[in-house]
This record gives sequence, structure tokens and C-alpha cells, in this order.
Amino acid sequence: DAKTTQPTSMDCAEGRAANLPCNHSTISGNEYVYWYRQIHSQGPQYIIHGLKNNETNEMASLIITEDRKSSTLILPHATLRDTAVYYCIVNTGNQFYFGTGTSLTVIP
Amino acid sequence: GAVVSQHPSWVICKSGTSVKIECRSLDFQATTMFWYRQFPKQSLMLMATSNEGSKATYEQGVEKDKFLINHASLTLSTLTVTSAHPEDSSFYICSAWTSGGLYEQYFGPGTRLTVT
Repeated sequence: DAKTTQPTSMDCAEGRAANLPCNHSTISGNEYVYWYRQIHSQGPQYIIHGLKNNETNEMASLIITEDRKSSTLILPHATLRDTAVYYCIVNTGNQFYFGTGTSLTVIP
Repeated sequence: GAVVSQHPSWVICKSGTSVKIECRSLDFQATTMFWYRQFPKQSLMLMATSNEGSKATYEQGVEKDKFLINHASLTLSTLTVTSAHPEDSSFYICSAWTSGGLYEQYFGPGTRLTVT
């Protein structure tokens, strides 16, 4: 079962930062936080993952709270192509259980 | 980057027939592959986990005799939907995991199955 809670939907203006929150209050010490996104009728695309420390790559930044009970995915400059469903996943090992995700709409 | 392919990308079949979907890891060896199902406007649901050379492990509520999974090599897993019915119409997605990677799951593009 999914261990995460995310808002159902969000809007973001093009060019602005998109901040997508995720609650994972029951996360265990060795569980990673992963973020994937899915554009309509495609397979999920990996964005970023982390354990304790904040992470940044060419796509996004991941901010994990000190108690690890929540995290935020930041898309620094959202574009129309970032419109997708974003999934926050907590896992131990290699099995992923997807929650409902956040449908992000980037508005021109 | 790691690439996972699925074939076919879409398929239409008649009720009562069987359909096989292939999932291949193109440039890496996948010790474990996963199969998901996604209905319209819903999230991905994990169906089963397969490890190369061993029987698949099915999630609760997934009929193993209806959804046959074979993971015969480190680069190929197949899902066969037997005696398909219209309620089996869905988007089927596979993913692959390798211990030598960056702990990511690499997802295929999905297969759209329509049973008429």
C-alpha cells in the first residue's frame, strides 16, 4: 500500500517554481523517497530520489524535512511540458506502491 | 540512460483470447522486473514482481492463473493475459530494476490493451 499523501491537483504559472508537497509520516529510517512523473498515456519518468539530504539534479530539487516525515519536489522554472501527474513514492528495496499523485497543470 | 521497451504498444483482441506483452531492458540486465496495471484516471497498481529464473510473486487480488508472467532472461519478461475479457482492458506498464544501477526503477512506455 502507498505510504504517501499528496494534494490531488495544483496549478503553476509558466516560468515560476512549482513546489509539490508530499507527506510520508510513517517512513522508516532506511526508506528512500522517490519522485516520478507520468505524462498522459506514457510510462512514469524518474525525476529524483533521496534518503535524508536534500538533492538536486538537472530536473528538480528534493527537499526532505529533518524528521523525514515530508518532502517537497521543486521544479525551478516550470514549463508547459512539465504538465503531468507527479508521484511521490516511499520504498524499501525495489517495490514501488504508487499513491494517487498530484496532477500539476502549468498555465501559460 | 537505461531504456525499457514494451511490445506491442497497443493491442486489440477479442474476448476469450490470450495476449502476450513483452518487456525488454535494452541496455542493462534487470534482476527484477515489475508489472503494473493502470485504469483510466487512476494510479498505477503493482500486479506482480518477477525475478529472473524464478516464479513471479503476485500482489493480493491478482489472479496468477490469468496473468502469466515469465522472466526467462535478464533482459526479457513477458505478461500473458489469458482468456481476456473486456474488464481486462487497461494500460499495462512494466519496469525493470537492477542492483547495479542508481536504485531507480526504469519504466517502459506501456501497452494499451483493449478487449472487445
